[in-house]
Amino acid sequence: GAGVSQSPRYKVAKRGQDVALRCDPISGHVSLFWYQQALGQGPEFLTYFQNEAQLDKSGLPSDRFFAERPEGSVSTLKIQRTQQEDSAVYLCASSFDSVETQYFGPGTRLLVL
Amino acid sequence: GNSVTQMEGPVTLSEEAFLTINCTYTATGYPSLFWYVQYPGEGLQLLLKATKADDKGSNKGFEATYRKETTSFHLEKGSVQVSDSAVYFCALSDRSNTGKLIFGQGTTLQVKP
Repeated sequence: GAGVSQSPRYKVAKRGQDVALRCDPISGHVSLFWYQQALGQGPEFLTYFQNEAQLDKSGLPSDRFFAERPEGSVSTLKIQRTQQEDSAVYLCASSFDSVETQYFGPGTRLLVL
Repeated sequence: GNSVTQMEGPVTLSEEAFLTINCTYTATGYPSLFWYVQYPGEGLQLLLKATKADDKGSNKGFEATYRKETTSFHLEKGSVQVSDSAVYFCALSDRSNTGKLIFGQGTTLQVKP
């Protein structure tokens, strides 16, 4: 079946622009996670949804980062007033529930100039 | 807090050599342990996992054993191939929490023919 998909795959933004990154999880997966992966580093947790409820947003680096999953399926990660330090790959993962294996999307590579 | 430490890379081996990538962890409770692999130009893929002490995860000739006494989950393969060249990430999931993954920094493996 279809895996996790993310769009866009690449995004170039000027500093100060707002961006929106989309994640389509595997159908039926209750849990959805967002991670940020800086160049040469391992992914770092940003936020977690169980259905439409955002149960953990402890990893969001600032109040410029906002995520939603209004109908418990597709999720959007929004970054307002982007800064150069926001440049990274943003990964989305979904799982049947929080303790099961997470399946990752291909990521969105964000470059802020 | 929970953390994962991997041996630094890059690791360069000749084809058919024996591979070990060390991984140690710090965690409260009883985490699940994972190895994910990222091939060039592709997303993160689950390679293997273990959910309790003394469990051995295995896949594609790779193995790792969950060692609670040494808090380790070292990745091994008896005979590497050029196609194994990738970045390998060790990770843990705290099942008592949201199930978010905590990753090591990654180890790059390059296998030469």
